Amino acid sequence: SQQGEEDPQALSIQEGENATMNCSYKTSINNLQWYRQNSGRGLVHLILIRSNEREKHSGRLRVTLDTSKKSSSLLITASRAADTASYFCATVEIQGAQKLVFGQGTRLTINP
Amino acid sequence: ETGVTQTPRHLVMGMTNKKSLKCEQHLGHNAMYWYKQSAKKPLELMFVYNFKEQTENNSVPSRFSPECPNSSHLFLHLHTLQPEDSALYLCASSQERIDEQYFGPGTRLTVT
Repeated sequence: SQQGEEDPQALSIQEGENATMNCSYKTSINNLQWYRQNSGRGLVHLILIRSNEREKHSGRLRVTLDTSKKSSSLLITASRAADTASYFCATVEIQGAQKLVFGQGTRLTINP
Repeated sequence: ETGVTQTPRHLVMGMTNKKSLKCEQHLGHNAMYWYKQSAKKPLELMFVYNFKEQTENNSVPSRFSPECPNSSHLFLHLHTLQPEDSALYLCASSQERIDEQYFGPGTRLTVT
């Protein structure tokens, strides 16, 4: 069953602007992860945030986690054309099989 | 060397053929995964191997047969596939089940 759901499904912005993508999930989680996928390629892990963390940074990436609302956001600051890709959130549930469950992703397009 | 490699990168096969996909990880990880990515669908987990033992089979049809001879190699044997099996097949590995996963570039499979 699908756990994470990204919003929006597609986002198009100008180079230099900030991009924000949101993810909502349904059950209690151990951690939440964000991945990037360039067209037709493998996924690349960006950030892992644990359930007891609220915010994490990595370069131009900022991830927040609100476990009370069961939601997360990924902010990419000062976007570049190379950031054009699909972005997926994935969760590891506390209960049940410890597997990563992916959402459908947000397609981000950075216009030069 | 690239962490997770997959061969072949592209494969076209008829419905009566038998072929195998290969995945190799050079990261010393304990868990390996096969995923299927179809257009407009979330990434689907197919199989999980942890310390060479299959720990999950997500109701995958028997025409897909995984094999994990050691902790570094994972195969997906294909036979009598259907056109709807055409997709991008991704291999991934992780140190533990709840950790971030490292993906290979994928095999683009077309069944004619």
